[in-house]
Amino acid sequence: LAKTTQPISMDSYEGQEVNITCSHNNIATNDYITWYQQFPSQGPRFIIQGYKTKVTNEVASLFIPADRKSSTLSLPRVSLSDTAVYYCLVGDIYSGAGSYQLTFGKGTKLSVIP
Amino acid sequence: DTEVTQTPKHLVMGMTNKKSLKCEQHMGHRAMYWYKQKAKKPPELMFVYSYEKLSINESVPSRFSPECPNSSLLNLHLHALQPEDSALYLCASSQDLWEAATEAFFGQGTRLTVV
Repeated sequence: LAKTTQPISMDSYEGQEVNITCSHNNIATNDYITWYQQFPSQGPRFIIQGYKTKVTNEVASLFIPADRKSSTLSLPRVSLSDTAVYYCLVGDIYSGAGSYQLTFGKGTKLSVIP
Repeated sequence: DTEVTQTPKHLVMGMTNKKSLKCEQHMGHRAMYWYKQKAKKPPELMFVYSYEKLSINESVPSRFSPECPNSSLLNLHLHALQPEDSALYLCASSQDLWEAATEAFFGQGTRLTVV
């Protein structure tokens, strides 16, 4: 599973577009990039997934450059309800030495300010 | 139904107690997972159930014991826990094992406090 690096925290005002970048320099050829959102005392929720270029759904966009060594989650016109921790995951569950590993990155805490 | 249901939502237990956390999904998913999440930390994978087989993570203490009664239920039995085991315990499921990261559904979690 590729190691990921994200900013620890970000602040944004309501109505602004927020871009959260994740670095994953050792991404493997078959790895997908997935973003999850987590509110306090709740389980993570799948937001978006991509392999290359750009993916857009009703919640967010995901931009992936040609070298795939980073990705940017874009949240358009954030509201207070977007305050959460956002996790970037690269690759999938890994089996090694008789056990499975799936390592979430440290996540980015987004605080939306009125 | 796209939910993973966990019960109870909150649990306080003493160090000598035995309790169980329950997790249920009706999406026909073939893989289920238990995670532990400490405050301000990411979730950590504890156990994996896939293809009717439980995979035990040897780094998880034996005071945590998973059980899978059927393909839609996954329990976590707790015995002789320590205060440092207090955390949010999350259950998740995915269509298949290889979608554990790319398309997993998480429950709301059980907030466990060990006193």
